[in-house]
Parts: sequence; C-alpha cells; structure tokens
Amino acid sequence: QLQLQESGPGLVKPSETLSLTCIVSGASISNSNYYWGWIRQPPGKGLEWIGSIHYTGSTYYNPSLNSRVTIFVDMSKNHFSLILSSVTAADTAVYYCARHKGGTPEDDLDLWGQGTLVIVSS
Amino acid sequence: QSVLTQPPSVSAAPGQKVTISCSGSSSSIGNHYVFWYRQLPGTAPKLLIYDTNKRPSGIPDRFSGSKSGTSATLGITGLQTGDEADYYCGTWDSSLTAVVFGGGTKLTVL
Repeated sequence: QLQLQESGPGLVKPSETLSLTCIVSGASISNSNYYWGWIRQPPGKGLEWIGSIHYTGSTYYNPSLNSRVTIFVDMSKNHFSLILSSVTAADTAVYYCARHKGGTPEDDLDLWGQGTLVIVSS
Repeated sequence: QSVLTQPPSVSAAPGQKVTISCSGSSSSIGNHYVFWYRQLPGTAPKLLIYDTNKRPSGIPDRFSGSKSGTSATLGITGLQTGDEADYYCGTWDSSLTAVVFGGGTKLTVL
C-alpha cells in the first residue's frame, strides 16, 4: 500500500533554507502515471499548493513562490524533496507531500502524507 | 486571498442536507475538473470528490459534487456530527499554471 512520509527539520532560522523530503513507500516514484506534489498550510489557515514534479523532472511551481522553490526527485532513494530558500515567519506551516492520481499536475491529489510542522524562528 | 472563493462557514442540523459553494473563473473551474477535500483537525486532507462529481472508493454516496459554469458545489446529505470538519475545493488554473484551492469552509453540525 502506497504511503508518503515527510521528513526534515522542524525549526528553521529566518533567511535560511528549508529542506524537506517525502519518502514514498509501496510504489515506485518513477511510475510515469503520477506527479508528486508539495502543499502547505499555515497554522489556522487554508491550503497552498507549492509545486509538483514528475520523475522525468518536469516541474510546476506556484507563481508566488517560484523564485524560492526547487523540487527534485531522487529515484535511487524513491523520494522527492522540497527546497525553499530565504524563509521568513510567513513560511511557518504544516508541509504535506502528496500524489497526483493521474499523469498531470491537473489531476487530483489522492494520497497525502501526514504532514510535518516547520516553524521559522530565530 | 484564495483564487477560489468558498463561504467561511456553513451549518445545518443532523440528518439535514448542506451545500458548499466554490466560485472560480473560466481559467479554473470553468475549464477543469474540481476536487473536494475534507480535513479533520490535526489531520491531512482527505479526497472526497474528484473529476468534479466522482467519489473515491469508500466515500459514501451522501457526498456529491457538481459544477455549473465557473462555480462548483459540494453536497452532503444525512449530516452526521462526524461530518464537522473543514472542506476545501481545488482545481487547476490554466492562466496561473497552478493548482489552486479555496479558502476552506468550516461545517458545523448543530
């Protein structure tokens, strides 16, 4: 059964870089039928899509975050990662990784990780 | 401010029906499938509706989705106290080339 699990530091200092990894188990990340995405949710607020990636390297990013975001896949480890640079307190959120059910980022996100809270604070 | 507009809250009595609206544009809801999620406190969102009106396996037929023009609607019948949660709509926006979500609607079952 497919499972997604986020991992990474729970505390990041302002102006530094946030780095998270989503470990995919129960399926191959190189399955061409799926895109893989990152979504975040600030405390008490709604969902914000960060970006999505196909194992071929095709990526789509939220225009509001585009200049600070990088998502990449490591097929040897069957995981994909999120890099967010120059973080501020506004980047404090629960970060989720998820799978797009179909072969495009337009498809629904049908499976989600449990989420990991990242706090930006000195 | 979210690209998709949802009412902040809705409420209804147990056993009743409720609808949650989601308003977008021609580049979002008007030309793409809509999906809906339910989020219980402290948990990840769970997919309720995909492709505008389809239910994943295990989601009861009390939940339904529809779309007209640039607006979509989630319907829930036979409300239960366990349905109290936040509900989010989402879709693809071809102008932004991005996944967009509504701001979420808190459902209270009185």
